Amino acid sequence: GAGVSQSPSNKVTEKGKDVELRCDPISGHTALYWYRQSLGQGLEFLIYFQGNSAPDKSGLPSDRFSAERTGGSVSTLTIQRTQQEDSAVYLCASRGYGTSDSEQYFGPGTRLTVT
Amino acid sequence: RKEVEQDPGPFNVPEGATVAFNCTYSNSASQSFFWYRQDCRKEPKLLMSVYSSGNEDGRFTAQLNRASQYISLLIRDSKLSDSATYLCVVKGGFQKLVFGTGTRLLVSP
Repeated sequence: GAGVSQSPSNKVTEKGKDVELRCDPISGHTALYWYRQSLGQGLEFLIYFQGNSAPDKSGLPSDRFSAERTGGSVSTLTIQRTQQEDSAVYLCASRGYGTSDSEQYFGPGTRLTVT
Repeated sequence: RKEVEQDPGPFNVPEGATVAFNCTYSNSASQSFFWYRQDCRKEPKLLMSVYSSGNEDGRFTAQLNRASQYISLLIRDSKLSDSATYLCVVKGGFQKLVFGTGTRLLVSP
């Protein structure tokens, strides 16, 4: 079946502009995660959605970052007033209900470049 | 100190060699451990879970040492296709996975 998809695959934006990154999880997966991976860095957890529960936003680096998940499916990560340090690959992952934490399936990522 | 630390490498080995990576973690309460593989400019994929008693999957063996808080991955009979970055992953609180920065492996003919 279809895996996790993300769009756009690449995004170049000017400093100060807002960007929206989209994630389509695997159908039926209740958990959705956003991570970012900067050059030479590990994956940094940003936010976690589980069903209808309040999201865990503890990883968001600043109030310029926000995310929502509509209808328990598609998620959008928004970065306002982008800065050069926001340049990274933003990865989305989803997990089915009842599966172990490790079974997160990752999308191909969105490569964001802030100029 | 990072929650999960790995030697970034790269480890350069010839085909057929045995290579081992270690990873240390700081949270002694961690309960779940994994190795993920990430190919260049691709997304991470689960390689194997790591169990307390150690576990093997073909040419791959994972070990956990809780007392010293380290995890290891051993690859026997390396193949060219094993070239990738290997991410050590520890389960944090509330369903979060904490990733190390990865160890890069290059297998040459």
